[in-house]
Amino acid sequence: DVKVTQSSRYLVKRTGEKVFLECVQDMDHENMFWYRQDPGLGLRLIYFSYDVKMKEKGDIPEGYSVSREKKERFSLILESASTNQTSMYLCASRRTGTVSQETQYFGPGTRLLVL
Amino acid sequence: AQSVTQPDIHITVSEGASLELRCNYSYGATPYLFWYVQSPGQGLQLLLKYFSGDTLVQGIKGFEAEFKRSQSSFNLRKPSVHWSDAAEYFCAVGGMFSGGYNKLIFGAGTRLAVHP
Repeated sequence: DVKVTQSSRYLVKRTGEKVFLECVQDMDHENMFWYRQDPGLGLRLIYFSYDVKMKEKGDIPEGYSVSREKKERFSLILESASTNQTSMYLCASRRTGTVSQETQYFGPGTRLLVL
Repeated sequence: AQSVTQPDIHITVSEGASLELRCNYSYGATPYLFWYVQSPGQGLQLLLKYFSGDTLVQGIKGFEAEFKRSQSSFNLRKPSVHWSDAAEYFCAVGGMFSGGYNKLIFGAGTRLAVHP
C-alpha cells in the first residue's frame, strides 16, 4: 500500500513564525504536491515537484516555499506565518505519467492554526 | 478557464436511500474525471476515475459515476447509502493545464450526512 505521511496532524503557531510542514512518501514517486483545503473552496494547489530539487508554483504559491532535497520528502515552508494561512494542508504523491494513468495518493493532512 | 462545480455544499440522506452527488466541469479537451472521498480526519481516497471508454464507471464501496459529455457532468451515485458513507466528496478534473503540467483541479466538495 502506498503511504503518504505528514509530520503533524495539528499545529498551532504564532503570527510571524517560520513553519515547516513535512511530507514523506514510501513508494518512490517522482511527483509530490502540496494543497491547502478550505471550506467552500476545495483543494487548491500551492506547489508541486516532479523531481528532486525541482519545484513548480501551483495556483496559490504566495507566502509559501518548498524544498525537495530527497525523493521521498517534500517540505512546505511558511516563511512568516499569517492568520490567513490557517488551513488544512494536504500532501500528495504520484508516479510520473498522466493523471489518467497514475493515481494520486494523499496524506492525512495537517491542520494549522496561526494565532 | 478550467473549473469544477459541485452545486451542493451539504446533502443529507437516510440510511438505505439512494444518493446522487452532482459535478459539472469546464475543460477544453477530453477530460479525465475523478471522485475522491475524505472521511473525517483522513486524507482523500480515490473512489473512481474516468478517462475513456464506457461512460458508466464503477468504483470502490459500491459507488458509480456517469460521464455525460453533452451536459459536462460526472455525477456520483450509490443505490443504497450506509452510515459509513458520511464524508466529504470531491470531484476533480485532470489534464494538461497551463505551464505544461499534468495536475488535478478540485471542486469545492459536498459534505454528506447520513441519518439512521
